[in-house]
Amino acid sequence: SQQGEEDPQALSIQEGENATMNCSYKTSINNLQWYRQNSGRGLVHLILIRSNEREKHSGRLRVTLDTSKKSSSLLITASRAADTASYFCATALQIQGAQKLVFGQGTRLTINP
Amino acid sequence: DAGVIQSPRHEVTEMGQEVTLRCKPISGHDYLFWYRQTMMRGLELLIYFNNNVPIDDSGMPEDRFSAKMPNASFSTLKIQPSEPRDSAVYFCASRGQGAYEKLFFGSGTQLSVL
Repeated sequence: SQQGEEDPQALSIQEGENATMNCSYKTSINNLQWYRQNSGRGLVHLILIRSNEREKHSGRLRVTLDTSKKSSSLLITASRAADTASYFCATALQIQGAQKLVFGQGTRLTINP
Repeated sequence: DAGVIQSPRHEVTEMGQEVTLRCKPISGHDYLFWYRQTMMRGLELLIYFNNNVPIDDSGMPEDRFSAKMPNASFSTLKIQPSEPRDSAVYFCASRGQGAYEKLFFGSGTQLSVL
């Protein structure tokens, strides 16, 4: 099963509203990353939060990490039509000596104008 | 920098044919990753290289898949023979030396095996 599980699978909101996506994981991590994927394109890195950090901001993005609950959330404030995309969390972990970045299934975000 | 470059952008082939996907990582990046994305399984790590050496190929689905990195600026993922269930988007990604740091993805190759 997936290391990272996003919730909800799909989210549709009005432009200007805030969008919150959640990610849960199962094992200890080094860091957790969020990526965006526009339709037909590759993934683009948004933000990285390390295991010893609790909150991080980047522009309209706010990420929180709760290692006790093994969960993270991504908040996009004042959403815009251009934010329409799929968002993935990825957990950085070491498995049998190999460093891996394991992606969840993603949340499909639609911003309605 | 031009970013990670993948070719071809789209590939349509018939079952049983050999398929070769190509990737040029960002100059100076030491790590190169091959991922496969499908609706059913999401984004799966197939294999990754560090300094041109394969480190972990546990995600390669079967012997029909092989990957090489002959030098720091080029990698290939080969499927021989191809099957319809191999249809997916294949991404190449690279990153610098820092452990667990962010990945830079290419635009992907959309593979359709008929």
